[in-house]
Amino acid sequence: AQSVSQHNHHVILSEAASLELGCNYSYGGTVNLFWYVQYPGQHLQLLLKYFSGDPLVKGIKGFEAEFIKSKFSFNLRKPSVQWSDTAEYFCAVNAENYGQNFVFGPGTRLSVLP
Amino acid sequence: EAGVAQSPRYKIIEKRQSVAFWCNPISGHATLYWYQQILGQGPKLLIQFQNNGVVDDSQLPKDRFSAERLKGVDSTLKIQPAKLEDSAVYLCASSQFHSPLHFGNGTRLTVT
Repeated sequence: AQSVSQHNHHVILSEAASLELGCNYSYGGTVNLFWYVQYPGQHLQLLLKYFSGDPLVKGIKGFEAEFIKSKFSFNLRKPSVQWSDTAEYFCAVNAENYGQNFVFGPGTRLSVLP
Repeated sequence: EAGVAQSPRYKIIEKRQSVAFWCNPISGHATLYWYQQILGQGPKLLIQFQNNGVVDDSQLPKDRFSAERLKGVDSTLKIQPAKLEDSAVYLCASSQFHSPLHFGNGTRLTVT
């Protein structure tokens, strides 16, 4: 069965600090990878996605993620966070042999201090 | 495009009562999902529909949960009878083939 782990439960940063959130999955086949963000009081929104091609993908609001197949990882990065990035971040995996089934990680809460 | 619509936004019920949630996906999206998100956890798939057929309901507690998607569009999720541990946010999402999920705002259920 697919599973997704996220390294940190809660990350606290000051504005302008760099961010890296870890995500690892357990599936050896072809995968599609996603990061979703949930701002306080809002619904889950897509931040970025990887289907194929360049393993470094860029998303909205200056976020990027790198797919490293050998490490089963899809870490999320941002060079300089803002207070408005305070949110919960979820990594999700869709393994192509599992059809349209999306499995989510437990989430990482990011708090950015002004 | 209009997003995924869910109602109600909030529901408070007593244990052993029944409750139903409604979802209208994005027009043209064949796949519809119901997820349960318990506080502090990631969304967990309850059931996945492709048009009006069930693709995956392996994690749906079928003794108390039921879902249907008549005519392959709207869907309802029902809990009967509810337990305290059913307190969670129930998320509906839809997608097209080989595309990301689009989520609704969710229904926050509190069982007392």
